[in-house]
Amino acid sequence: GNSVTQMEGPVTLSEEAFLTINCTYTATGYPSLFWYVQYPGEGLQLLLKATKADDKGSNKGFEATYRKETTSFHLEKGSVQVSDSAVYFCALSSWGAQKLVFGQGTRLTINP
Amino acid sequence: DGGITQSPKYLFRKEGQNVTLSCEQNLNHDAMYWYRQDPGQGLRLIYYSQIVNDFQKGDIAEGYSVSREKKESFPLTVTSAQKNPTAFYLCASSPTSGGAGELFFGEGSRLTVL
Repeated sequence: GNSVTQMEGPVTLSEEAFLTINCTYTATGYPSLFWYVQYPGEGLQLLLKATKADDKGSNKGFEATYRKETTSFHLEKGSVQVSDSAVYFCALSSWGAQKLVFGQGTRLTINP
Repeated sequence: DGGITQSPKYLFRKEGQNVTLSCEQNLNHDAMYWYRQDPGQGLRLIYYSQIVNDFQKGDIAEGYSVSREKKESFPLTVTSAQKNPTAFYLCASSPTSGGAGELFFGEGSRLTVL
């Protein structure tokens, strides 16, 4: 079945550091890939997505590239801010599967 | 503004009581979902519905029930059969019924059993 494996957290960085959160997946066919962000006490918000191989999703300085050859969708940001502190979830969906499959989430804390 | 509204935001329940969490959307989405989130864990799917008057069990449906009588509403009942109901519950909707695309989430309901 479909599954998503995320880099285990928590991750703590200093402001302006470079961020990578790893995400790999197992899926049949050609899934769409997503990164969601959850700020404290809130629901999830879509951060970025990619629907086919080699696509790059980007938003708010975050980027992730859909790598079919390595089945990965790693999240990156060149210079993090304190306001980026949140939990990040990688997810995938396959046509006909009728539901998203989420990774376990990675808690990110940015210190000033 | 369009979106998903969950209520109540916080709820306390005594053991043995049923409780119903409300989820309403005005996005005209076909599909709706309920997820459970526990500290340090990911999201686990409880129930989902692709169309009015139809719904399917997710990965952890035991002790929960749902209904989908209207397109915009998908309430979740946490029954007394649910052994460990204290959690954060998230409702979501999606415009894609033939396969899960982007999900839009509500702000969640935190249930605490006393």
